[in-house]
Amino acid sequence: DVKVTQSSRYLVKRTGEKVFLECVQDMDHENMFWYRQDPGLGLRLIYFSYDVKMKEKGDIPEGYSVSREKKERFSLILESASTNQTSMYLCASSPRGVNQPQHFGDGTRLSIL
Amino acid sequence: RKEVEQDPGPFNVPEGATVAFNCTYSNSASQSFFWYRQDCRKEPKLLMSVYSSGNEDGRFTAQLNRASQYISLLIRDSKLSDSATYLCVVNIMDNYGQNFVFGPGTRLSVLP
Repeated sequence: DVKVTQSSRYLVKRTGEKVFLECVQDMDHENMFWYRQDPGLGLRLIYFSYDVKMKEKGDIPEGYSVSREKKERFSLILESASTNQTSMYLCASSPRGVNQPQHFGDGTRLSIL
Repeated sequence: RKEVEQDPGPFNVPEGATVAFNCTYSNSASQSFFWYRQDCRKEPKLLMSVYSSGNEDGRFTAQLNRASQYISLLIRDSKLSDSATYLCVVNIMDNYGQNFVFGPGTRLSVLP
């Protein structure tokens, strides 16, 4: 069974802090993704990575950066947290190729005060 | 026009009912298709992939019509545990590989 693990289920941080969200997958998947999900807005792609040390911007990358130093780990960084970054953050991974679905972690509910 | 559109919902149905969800996509280059379910405050979970020939998994049947760019999900004999939001997902291969596009979701409430 595919396992995608996010480091925290709930997290509370203060405005201006640098925040790290970690995601690890155990199935040797090439592709990894970070989304945020807000009521009424659905899932929005922040960044994705198709290989180690490779990253691409998604639809809403502003205020975020990512790191993928190892294949199994994809980190999302909020450089200077703001209240509008309060959200549910979801990490996903998938193998390369057509007809390969994504598998999601449990999500991190992040509150910025 | 949104890339992936779904029935707005919510759908409120009694236990045992049959319910169908519809999804349309705009990019004809879309190559693979999925239905996910998402429970309140939880992550999306893969329900089933959708193949051109249509496929069935127990009470769930998925259909794909590439000509009309339309996907459907049929749930028979609804259970209380089927209450969730159902997300239609389309995968488009581009220069980077996979590009997953999510629909907004349709919420289903199965009532006793």
